[in-house]
Amino acid sequence: EIVLTQSPGTLSLSPGERATLSCRASQSVSSNYLAWYQQKPGQAPRLLIYGASSRATGIPDRFSGSGSGTDFTLTISRLEPEDFAVYYCQQYGTSPLYTFGQGTKLEIK
Amino acid sequence: QVHLVESGGGVVQPGRSLRLSCATSGFTFSAYALHWVRQAPGKGLEWVAVISYDGDKKYYADSVKGRFTISRDSSKNTLYLQMNSLGTDDTAVYYCARARGGGYHSAFDNWGPGTMVTVSS
Repeated sequence: EIVLTQSPGTLSLSPGERATLSCRASQSVSSNYLAWYQQKPGQAPRLLIYGASSRATGIPDRFSGSGSGTDFTLTISRLEPEDFAVYYCQQYGTSPLYTFGQGTKLEIK
Repeated sequence: QVHLVESGGGVVQPGRSLRLSCATSGFTFSAYALHWVRQAPGKGLEWVAVISYDGDKKYYADSVKGRFTISRDSSKNTLYLQMNSLGTDDTAVYYCARARGGGYHSAFDNWGPGTMVTVSS
């Protein structure tokens, strides 16, 4: 089973700043089958990025994903107030087994 | 517009059973694999089960294997999760989600709002 470790656990930033979230896999993620989700309190997760770097439908271009193999990054270029939430990475390369990271909480400083 | 809505959650005693439903609309139901994902209170996301687009293949997380059964009814465009021998560790919000590309190697592009299952005596 691939274990995904996200860092940091909590990230405190101000609106307008740049956010960099990390996701490290215990083994290589096949074909970059890595996704990022955003979850706000009381809501379902929302797909942001799939295939490590492709934005999902309707996702603003301030969100970008990068990386390959075992190291992946979600970058939010300029934080908006609505971006403060919890972010999860997920691998779907070893399907039909899927794993999520433990999450990074992005909070307002 | 793609829509998924879960139902069937509630409070149940340990050892009892519960069946969740996920009604869908806005897409060709029989073309997509579908998943159940759960989230315990204050915790992260845990994948539970997946069913292939045609219902022929089903896979489960080790934590629910042998106790939970995923199924689908194309005539009703509805996904199900039969949960037996429930334990307190099964307390969570349960989400249904669609596989973006239809198959297994796909991210989850549409989610329902979730239904809460509480296992307690």
